[in-house]
Amino acid sequence: GAVVSQHPSRVICKSGTSVKIECRSLDFQATTMFWYRQFPKKSLMLMATSNEGSKATYEQGVEKDKFLINHASLTLSTLTVTSAHPEDSSFYICSARAGRGDTQYFGPGTRLTVL
Amino acid sequence: AQSVSQHNHHVILSEAASLELGCNYSYGGTVNLFWYVQYPGQHLQLLLKYFSGDPLVKGIKGFEAEFIKSKFSFNLRKPSVQWSDTAEYFCAVNAPYNQAGTALIFGKGTTLSVSS
Repeated sequence: GAVVSQHPSRVICKSGTSVKIECRSLDFQATTMFWYRQFPKKSLMLMATSNEGSKATYEQGVEKDKFLINHASLTLSTLTVTSAHPEDSSFYICSARAGRGDTQYFGPGTRLTVL
Repeated sequence: AQSVSQHNHHVILSEAASLELGCNYSYGGTVNLFWYVQYPGQHLQLLLKYFSGDPLVKGIKGFEAEFIKSKFSFNLRKPSVQWSDTAEYFCAVNAPYNQAGTALIFGKGTTLSVSS
């Protein structure tokens, strides 16, 4: 199957700093990438959908100024958590899809811990 | 908007027992249906998917699922579980022609614990 990578796999930062997470589709071109957040023992919550070359569409309740998403190429999307706070600590997972009717492939996730 | 409900929060089985995990979705239009598995400490892996055609779908590791359109259901089954099936199982749905969004929407997940 298709491979999606995320970097870093784990990051610890101080409160108030910004953290950037990268998501790459390694062997296919992803017209659409998605960012999810997973809380312990909880399901994946969709944060935003990003199409290459256009602004991301955020789900209700997700602050677009706090979670900046860039999808500048067909193989790379980035999520920047700005002015991180301890409540932003979570597991962030990206997924990528080649086309509208295609399967979404998931990255391994990034564990963010804000001290 | 579509939503997904998984009825079983935590299922505990002995090895060789049969498994059925329930999944219902709410959306009136065309849907694609998926089951993902997340083993402890690992990332999501696709077990099986249904786009169209035969409503009985076979996936990896002996899993299968049946799409029953009239019941808006996509239950996951395995005739004989193994200890290695211990994991979190997620049902997911997307509506590929939904103008409001085509992202996968997940159920809350079912924790399966298999004792040897």
